[in-house]
Amino acid sequence: GAGVSQSPSNKVTEKGKDVELRCDPISGHTALYWYRQSLGQGLEFLIYFQGNSAPDKSGLPSDRFSAERTGGSVSTLTIQRTQQEDSAVYLCASSLEGSGRTRYEQYFGPGTRLTVT
Amino acid sequence: AQSVTQLDSQVPVFEEAPVELRCNYSSSVSVYLFWYVQYPNQGLQLLLKYLSGSTLVESINGFEAEFNKSQTSFHLRKPSVHISDTAEYFCAVTALILTGGGNKLTFGTGTQLKVEL
Repeated sequence: GAGVSQSPSNKVTEKGKDVELRCDPISGHTALYWYRQSLGQGLEFLIYFQGNSAPDKSGLPSDRFSAERTGGSVSTLTIQRTQQEDSAVYLCASSLEGSGRTRYEQYFGPGTRLTVT
Repeated sequence: AQSVTQLDSQVPVFEEAPVELRCNYSSSVSVYLFWYVQYPNQGLQLLLKYLSGSTLVESINGFEAEFNKSQTSFHLRKPSVHISDTAEYFCAVTALILTGGGNKLTFGTGTQLKVEL
């Protein structure tokens, strides 16, 4: 079946502009995670969605970052007033939460490479 | 909170030689442990995981890792590497107890494995 997909694969934007990054999780996966991979910070957790529960936003670096998940499927990560330090690869992962060991297996998308000029 | 240390940022090795990529973790609670691999310009792929049971876990492509609780380590090994193993390898942990963020992963900084002829 199809894996996690993300779009766009690459995004170049000017400082101060807003950007939206999209993630399509694996069908049936109820949990969705966003991570950021940057040279200075490595791989870091941003936000987590699970079903209809309130998302865990504890990893978002500033209030310029927000995310939503519509209908328990597609998720959009929005960065407002982008800064050069936002340049990174943004990775999305999904998993089949619930009981059992599969809940711990996260499947990652190919990422969106964001460059802020 | 958890942390993961991968002391070796780069490991060069000749083809067919053995390799060990080191991973140590710190956590106040019990954790599950993972190794992910990232090939050039691709997303993260789960290589292997330790959840419980035998402390030695194996992947389908010849890698193995051993969980050592007393040394808080989860080193990755392969007895004979191939050119195609050239990639970046990330060690990661997640807490057994759900404390928000679901099963968010905490990653090490990665080790670049470069296999040479």
